[in-house]
Amino acid sequence: NAGVTQTPKFQVLKTGQSMTLQCAQDMNHNSMYWYRQDPGMGLRLIYYSASEGTTDKGEVPNGYNVSRLNKREFSLRLESAAPSQTSVYFCAGKFSGANVLTFGAGSRLTVL
Amino acid sequence: QKEVEQDPGPLSVPEGAIVSLNCTYSNSAFQYFMWYRQYSRKGPELLMYTYSSGNKEDGRFTAQVDKSSKYISLFIRDSQPSDSATYLCAMSPNDYKLSFGAGTTVTVRA
Repeated sequence: NAGVTQTPKFQVLKTGQSMTLQCAQDMNHNSMYWYRQDPGMGLRLIYYSASEGTTDKGEVPNGYNVSRLNKREFSLRLESAAPSQTSVYFCAGKFSGANVLTFGAGSRLTVL
Repeated sequence: QKEVEQDPGPLSVPEGAIVSLNCTYSNSAFQYFMWYRQYSRKGPELLMYTYSSGNKEDGRFTAQVDKSSKYISLFIRDSQPSDSATYLCAMSPNDYKLSFGAGTTVTVRA
């Protein structure tokens, strides 16, 4: 019963490097989400995928791209990392018709 | 102005006390209201879920929604050290996008 699995759990990047955060769920969720969490800012939506094959921007999409590879997997890519992208990133999934999100354990990213 | 306002605290209470948490919001279209609990270095997990106005009780937890005042609350009775966590309110007008508060960090002292 893995639920929502994120990899890697920790990553340190230099400014300008690229990387991809991976998210996979085995709960048959229709919708998947990427959030970032910063002190005092709460959870802010970066991108979401309402269903397989669709993606939409959230509140803070600049500097990120996403891919909904299939129903199970939703990846977040930083093409050219910046120190402002230092954060904890959470992937989440949910079923259509319900507002209950199931979150992964988070990925802590530091950009130097 | 943020769409959802939540006092970040921190809040420290003795074991057995009642914890009172609240959020205010500006979007009158919000219909779904949730409270998530987040332990340190973990992902948030759903604690309470309510639709529209009213109260909901689950064990030691009570959630209240007052749509006329755009105000929601979470009460924890007989608080325990295991309740020490960050509590995030969340709300949504529809099926897709949730707006979160900043979270309130609660410590229950044994």
